[in-house]
Amino acid sequence: KAGVTQTPRYLIKTRGQQVTLSCSPISGHRSVSWYQQTPGQGLQFLFEYFSETQRNKGNFPGRFSGRQFSNSRSEMNVSTLELGDSALYLCASSVNTGELFFGEGSRLTVL
Amino acid sequence: AQKVTQAQTEISVVEKEDVTLDCVYETRDTTYYLFWYKQPPSGELVFLIRRNSFDEQNEISGRYSWNFQKSTSSFNFTITASQVVDSAVYFCALSIAGYSSASKIIFGSGTRLSIRP
Repeated sequence: KAGVTQTPRYLIKTRGQQVTLSCSPISGHRSVSWYQQTPGQGLQFLFEYFSETQRNKGNFPGRFSGRQFSNSRSEMNVSTLELGDSALYLCASSVNTGELFFGEGSRLTVL
Repeated sequence: AQKVTQAQTEISVVEKEDVTLDCVYETRDTTYYLFWYKQPPSGELVFLIRRNSFDEQNEISGRYSWNFQKSTSSFNFTITASQVVDSAVYFCALSIAGYSSASKIIFGSGTRLSIRP
């Protein structure tokens, strides 16, 4: 079955802009979580959605937001981009959070 | 509090050598899960194994093997006869059983493994 699909794979933005990233989970997976990965901070949990409801949120500013649609697809948005937001953003889906299944990520560069 | 430590930041070996990646965890819970993930250059984390705290049997899958020792709170990963395709960043992770939330999965900082031809 198809894996987790993230779009776009690469994008370049400038400071102050906003960005929306998309994640399509594995069919049948209702839980979608997002992570930010940077060389300095490693993998950091952003938020998790289950059945269109945000279940948990990591320690990130309000500029980071997300949502989940009825088909379990999820989007995350980062507004007023800062240089430090440059990172690989990973989406993962799961059935009941034992194993997480990750997408290839969206690599964001902020100039 | 839970914590996962991967003390080896980077490891480089020559192809066909055996290599062990260390993982030490901390938790006061008696029921938990341990994971290993592989992150190749393409970016996605690939699930390798899950082990629950009550199952200390070592596991072997082809060239991969895992050694879980509760006495030392370690869950080490060995690659036998390494290959260039094994080059990746490997993450060890811990989650507490009963918490069905990704926010409760604690990842280590990762070990970058480079296999030289």
